[in-house]
Order: sequence, then structure tokens, then C-alpha cells
Amino acid sequence: KAGVTQTPRYLIKTRGQQVTLSCSPISGHRSVSWYQQTPGQGLQFLFEYFSETQRNKGNFPGRFSGRQFSNSRSEMNVSTLELGDSALYLCASSLSGQPADTQYFGPGTRLTVL
Amino acid sequence: KNQVEQSPQSLIILEGKNCTLQCNYTVSPFSNLRWYKQDTGRGPVSLTIMTFSENTKSNGRYTATLDADTKQSSLHITASQLSDSASYICVVSAPHSGYALNFGKGTSLLVTP
Repeated sequence: KAGVTQTPRYLIKTRGQQVTLSCSPISGHRSVSWYQQTPGQGLQFLFEYFSETQRNKGNFPGRFSGRQFSNSRSEMNVSTLELGDSALYLCASSLSGQPADTQYFGPGTRLTVL
Repeated sequence: KNQVEQSPQSLIILEGKNCTLQCNYTVSPFSNLRWYKQDTGRGPVSLTIMTFSENTKSNGRYTATLDADTKQSSLHITASQLSDSASYICVVSAPHSGYALNFGKGTSLLVTP
């Protein structure tokens, strides 16, 4: 079974631009979560989607948004990029989104904002 | 203040030796505690998941323990291998929060020949 895939793997943008990241979960998984990872803050939860609905949201500004499609694929958008948005963005999928489920992470998208 | 604190921040051990990583948390109540291994340049991989009622969980050479009374967990690695070099992250979730998880900043482990 194919794992979680994320595209693109690397991205370079300038301040003020916007970016869209894509995540394809493992086949059959309906929950997709997004995380931001930086050396200083570690991993931080952005949001979680299940059956096209956002169920949980972390403490990030409204510039960070996401959506999930009927095939469970998910996209994350960041508008008006800031230097501090430079990070590794990880998505993870699980079968039903229950806390006891095992989450499977993708390789991440490395975003650099100049 | 972060609700999940890990120690040590980094650790260097010789191949074949054992080591123990610590995780202290203040998340309360909590529903489960996980340990992840993250290799450089890759996403985290789940090692163990424990609910508040479990004391220990093993996955090969990895054994996690949990003391819900003192809010402490440890990850013990037996007979370390070079491939164990990675960051180990402790994650605590609260009930009804789904994947709004609380992450530790990780312990960076280096296993040397």
C-alpha cells in the first residue's frame, strides 16, 4: 500500500506570496492532519480534517487554511507569507481519526520564505 | 509553557549500549501518549501508543513506560544500532481533541560505532 505523499517536496517563496501544499493520504484513510515543524518550536498542530470537515484547529493565524476533498486528499494554503513561515510542513493520515489510531506521516514539504 | 517536556535534549551513545529517554507532561486529562521516531529529512514514524491505563508497551527493541500518577513516560532503547540515530518525539493528546496533539521538542539521539 502506498504511503502518504506530499507535493511539492521543496518550495521557495518570497514574503507576501501565497502557497498551496498538497497531501494524498493512504488509501482508505479519512482523517488528514497538518503540522508545522521548526527547529525552535518543534512540531505544532495546524488542523485536522475528516470527511471534508475541519474537526480541530491549532493556534495559527487565519492566513493558514486548509480543505479536504471527497477522495480524502487535502490541501493547505498559506497566504501573505512571512519569513517565520519557513518550516517543514507535515501531513499525516489515519483510518478514522480516533486518537488511538496510528498516524502515518508523509515526508513533508520544506517551505523556505525569502 | 510547553505541556510536554523531554530530556535530555541530545544524547550520544556507543553502538550496542542501552539508553532511556524521558518525557514529562502536564496535559490533564490525557487520553494517550505516543512516542515517534523521526529520521533526518523524513516524517515521524509511530513507535508506541499508550492509553492512561497502560504501564508499558514494547515494539522490538523499544519499550515505553508510563506513570500516569507522576505524569512521566520513558522510552528505553535496548542494544542500540546505528540506525537508531534519530529524533525521538513524545506526544500527548487530550480527550475529545482528536489530533490536536501536544508535542515535545524531541531528544536527538546519535549512536556511534
